[in-house]
Amino acid sequence: GEDVEQSLFLSVREGDSSVINCTYTDSSSTYLYWYKQEPGAGLQLLTYIFSNMDMKQDQRLTVLLNKKDKHLSLRIADTQTGDSAIYFCAESRNFGNEKLTFGTGTRLTIIP
Amino acid sequence: KAGVTQTPRYLIKTRGQQVTLSCSPISGHRSVSWYQQTPGQGLQFLFEYFSETQRNKGNFPGRFSGRQFSNSRSEMNVSTLELGDSALYLCASSHGAGREQYFGPGTRLTVT
Repeated sequence: GEDVEQSLFLSVREGDSSVINCTYTDSSSTYLYWYKQEPGAGLQLLTYIFSNMDMKQDQRLTVLLNKKDKHLSLRIADTQTGDSAIYFCAESRNFGNEKLTFGTGTRLTIIP
Repeated sequence: KAGVTQTPRYLIKTRGQQVTLSCSPISGHRSVSWYQQTPGQGLQFLFEYFSETQRNKGNFPGRFSGRQFSNSRSEMNVSTLELGDSALYLCASSHGAGREQYFGPGTRLTVT
């Protein structure tokens, strides 16, 4: 079945690294995504990783995928106050299937 | 390139009424998906349209319907509104090959 889980809250000091974790159950997941949602806004695509990759880096963002443990993480380096938001991981199953299954979201709070 | 646009941004309706929401995808994108976001249920997939055909459907009652036009713009309709339909409705567009999906700002529907 499809299930994506995340911790609800994370607090990080400004300038430190944030690591947001996600676990999923569907072994047929093809793409795994990270989205950011700020208050009153839609979802902003941050990055995504194909299931045959272990890591992807994009500026301050690093995504790690452990397919064996079905574990995905998003590391934000040098966390800034503008990074305060809810972060969702999501998975899709196969080509041509656009349905995304989302986690509950992790609210990231930056401590000055 | 313009992003995904949704209209209207806010709506207030009364129980029993019906509502139509509109989504214009990114130019060149042929797939439009709809999601409902509520505090209790999180982000849930409603349906996806590709080239005017519904390709995938979530677990929502028949009161929720949609369509897609030849220019890829999509509408979703909710008939006989219930209080529980109050939510942020998000649409996402993509090329339809299971990669990046970009979300609009959402339509906030309040049912009184």
